Amino acid sequence: SQQGEEDPQALSIQEGENATMNCSYKTSINNLQWYRQNSGRGLVHLILIRSNEREKHSGRLRVTLDTSKKSSSLLITASRAADTASYFCATAANSGNTPLVFGKGTRLSVIA
Amino acid sequence: DTAVSQTPKYLVTQMGNDKSIKCEQNLGHDTMYWYKQDSKKFLKIMFSYNNKELIINETVPNRFSPKSPDKAHLNLHINSLELGDSAVYFCASSHASNQPQHFGDGTRLSIL
Repeated sequence: SQQGEEDPQALSIQEGENATMNCSYKTSINNLQWYRQNSGRGLVHLILIRSNEREKHSGRLRVTLDTSKKSSSLLITASRAADTASYFCATAANSGNTPLVFGKGTRLSVIA
Repeated sequence: DTAVSQTPKYLVTQMGNDKSIKCEQNLGHDTMYWYKQDSKKFLKIMFSYNNKELIINETVPNRFSPKSPDKAHLNLHINSLELGDSAVYFCASSHASNQPQHFGDGTRLSIL
């Protein structure tokens, strides 16, 4: 069954603004990952946050994780037109060979 | 260097035909995957292989048969194609099931 649910489904902002996307999940996790997908391309891994971490940064990306609420957020600061893409969260279970489960994604449009 | 490459990029064929999609990764990963992404961007895992052995086989019609000749290759053969098979198929690889995945750029399959 689907694990991650992103919110909102679509987001449109002006260049330079910040974009926040949220992900909620249902069961306990080993880690949570965020991916970006540009139109016509495969998913690209952005950042991984472990279940014992609360916040992680990578360049203009900031990810938070609240395991008590089973939710995560991805913040993109000072957005650029090139950030236009779909963003997916994926949860990794604690048990062995269970594959990542991807949410439905948030479609981000950054208008120049 | 392309990390995960899949061919062909586009596949247009008629209902009832049999087709194959090839995937190769040069990352030295142990685990490879096939995903189906529908028109609503939902990414659904189909198969997962670890060191050439099938470890995940989600509810997929038996018309779909993966084959892994070695650790670096995971091909997907589809028999008796149906209209509902139209989608983008992604190959991916990772070191382990809960680790970041590297995706190919997808094969867009269109059934006429």
